[in-house]
Amino acid sequence: GDSVTQMEGPVTLSEEAFLTINCTYTATGYPSLFWYVQYPGEGLQLLLKATKADDKGSNKGFEATYRKETTSFHLEKGSVQVSDSAVYFCALHSGAGSYQLTFGKGTKLSVIP
Amino acid sequence: DAGVIQSPRHEVTEMGQEVTLRCKPISGHDYLFWYRQTMMRGLELLIYFNNNVPIDDSGMPEDRFSAKMPNASFSTLKIQPSEPRDSAVYFCASSAGLKETQYFGPGTRLLVL
Repeated sequence: GDSVTQMEGPVTLSEEAFLTINCTYTATGYPSLFWYVQYPGEGLQLLLKATKADDKGSNKGFEATYRKETTSFHLEKGSVQVSDSAVYFCALHSGAGSYQLTFGKGTKLSVIP
Repeated sequence: DAGVIQSPRHEVTEMGQEVTLRCKPISGHDYLFWYRQTMMRGLELLIYFNNNVPIDDSGMPEDRFSAKMPNASFSTLKIQPSEPRDSAVYFCASSAGLKETQYFGPGTRLLVL
């Protein structure tokens, strides 16, 4: 079945550091890929998405590129801020007759001043 | 739009009691999803509805769990009787189409003593 594997956290970075959170997947067909963010005490919010190979999703300074050859969708940001502290979830929607999102376990990011 | 609304935000109950969680999806969305989030298992899809009709309930843990959607603006997830292992955060999400972005509510944090 479909699965998503994320790097385990927690990840602690200083403000303005470069962020990478790795995400790889296995899926049937041609999945759409997503990054969701969960701030403390809140629900998940869509951060960015990509629906086909080589697409780059971007939002709020975050970027991720859909790499079919490596089945990856790594999240990056050039300069993190304290306000980026949250849990980040990689997810996929296989579209192969399945209507559900498959989530990774989440990666907790803490950014310190 | 107010987004997806869930109530209560927190629920503490004793083992054996009935628990009812409520969700109001975003107006105009025709898909509604119930998820459960735990440290051990991450985010799991429990059930989803399309136009108020349950489509896939294969994620519902057991017969103690039931979900209804009597109209387009309201859904409930009921646990009867509750058990300590049901303690988790329960999220409701809605979307405007089969492959469209899912928007999550803030969640209900359930603790069963």
